[in-house]
Amino acid sequence: GQNIDQPTEMTATEGAIVQINCTYQTSGFNGLFWYQQHAGEAPTFLSYNVLDGLEEKGRFSSFLSRSKGYSYLLLKELQMKDSASYLCAVMDSNYQLIWGAGTKLIIKP
Amino acid sequence: GAVVSQHPSRVICKSGTSVKIECRSLDFQATTMFWYRQFPKQSLMLMATSNEGSKATYEQGVEKDKFLINHASLTLSTLTVTSAHPEDSSFYICSAKGLAGVTQETQYFGPGTRLLVL
Repeated sequence: GQNIDQPTEMTATEGAIVQINCTYQTSGFNGLFWYQQHAGEAPTFLSYNVLDGLEEKGRFSSFLSRSKGYSYLLLKELQMKDSASYLCAVMDSNYQLIWGAGTKLIIKP
Repeated sequence: GAVVSQHPSRVICKSGTSVKIECRSLDFQATTMFWYRQFPKQSLMLMATSNEGSKATYEQGVEKDKFLINHASLTLSTLTVTSAHPEDSSFYICSAKGLAGVTQETQYFGPGTRLLVL
């Protein structure tokens, strides 16, 4: 079966760095997405990785290793507004998005 | 770019009535639109995928006669919840992707519609 695993919840301190991991097992691979979802709101797109390596976008970076079925989202200089759920999703060989359950990130002052 | 709107943002209706939710891609042509449902503190659940001009593909367990989807144009898809019941109360979110550029692989989400059935 297809499976996306990410931690349920993480806590970090304002100003610090946090890494949210995602491992996947899917039938085929056409890219991995990270979305941010604040409570009560719809997801917003953060990043898309289809090749191995690190993609940096401001305070957020996303890494992919296709051979290991592994990705992480790195958030630097954490701000209180970064408190949200972070969703990992993989596009399989049929171009269907397989969603992880999301990681709730709690930022403490 | 890649903006998706949804209307209404919030709706309260009586049990047994039907509710229509609109999803529009504002600055790109959405060849494919997706409808999700999310219950409180749970993950997104894909309900159906619709391609412009053709019938929607429903996920297992989603009643196609209850959740009517129409994708009549490249910028508009509608979801009609027919004979709504309290258990249909949820957060309904649409997303869209297009054919070219940044929208080709990425799904862009609308802001969601919160439905409360009394």
